[in-house]
Amino acid sequence: QKEVEQNSGPLSVPEGAIASLNCTYSDRGSQSFFWYRQYSGKSPELIMSIYSNGDKEDGRFTAQLNKASQYVSLLIRDSQPSDSATYLCAVNMDRGSTLGRLYFGRGTQLTVWP
Amino acid sequence: DTEVTQTPKHLVMGMTNKKSLKCEQHMGHRAMYWYKQKAKKPPELMFVYSYEKLSINESVPSRFSPECPNSSLLNLHLHALQPEDSALYLCASSQVQGAGGDGYTFGSGTRLTVV
Repeated sequence: QKEVEQNSGPLSVPEGAIASLNCTYSDRGSQSFFWYRQYSGKSPELIMSIYSNGDKEDGRFTAQLNKASQYVSLLIRDSQPSDSATYLCAVNMDRGSTLGRLYFGRGTQLTVWP
Repeated sequence: DTEVTQTPKHLVMGMTNKKSLKCEQHMGHRAMYWYKQKAKKPPELMFVYSYEKLSINESVPSRFSPECPNSSLLNLHLHALQPEDSALYLCASSQVQGAGGDGYTFGSGTRLTVV
């Protein structure tokens, strides 16, 4: 059974704080990991991808990957009210396949209050 | 603007109607997907096309019929839907790169309401 688990939240942080979103996955051999942001009623938007152990930073966003622990996280620094959305963790667990199919977690709803 | 274009953005249809959802991408991606998403739930995979061939059908009822006329287009034909089929229907595309794939690009979605 291929599963992606996220802390479902909701997560509420004040403006300017660090928001921490967590995700675990079931397939130890997974190679590609993604974070999508989805505003209410809109489609998911890719905000981070990570493939190697360690940290990857892009502006206020940092993705962290630990393949041994099967754990991936997203940190949002200096959180803004505009960051309020649902964050979906997605993992490519189709090893040996050319499909690039992603498995999604249930999402974590983040609210940043002024 | 998204590089995956879905039309229409909104659709209201009766249970006896036939309608089609359309998706187009010009990124040279060779894998295209249909997802269904209900409110406050993650996207659920319906169909995967790889090189214009249907690769995955997640046991979707036959009232949903996908079609991939060419590498840029993906359609979803709808017939005799039920009210519980009301949802956001998302099209996505990706490079076909195996486990090192670079994720999906989603279209803006079609909000479908079945009455």
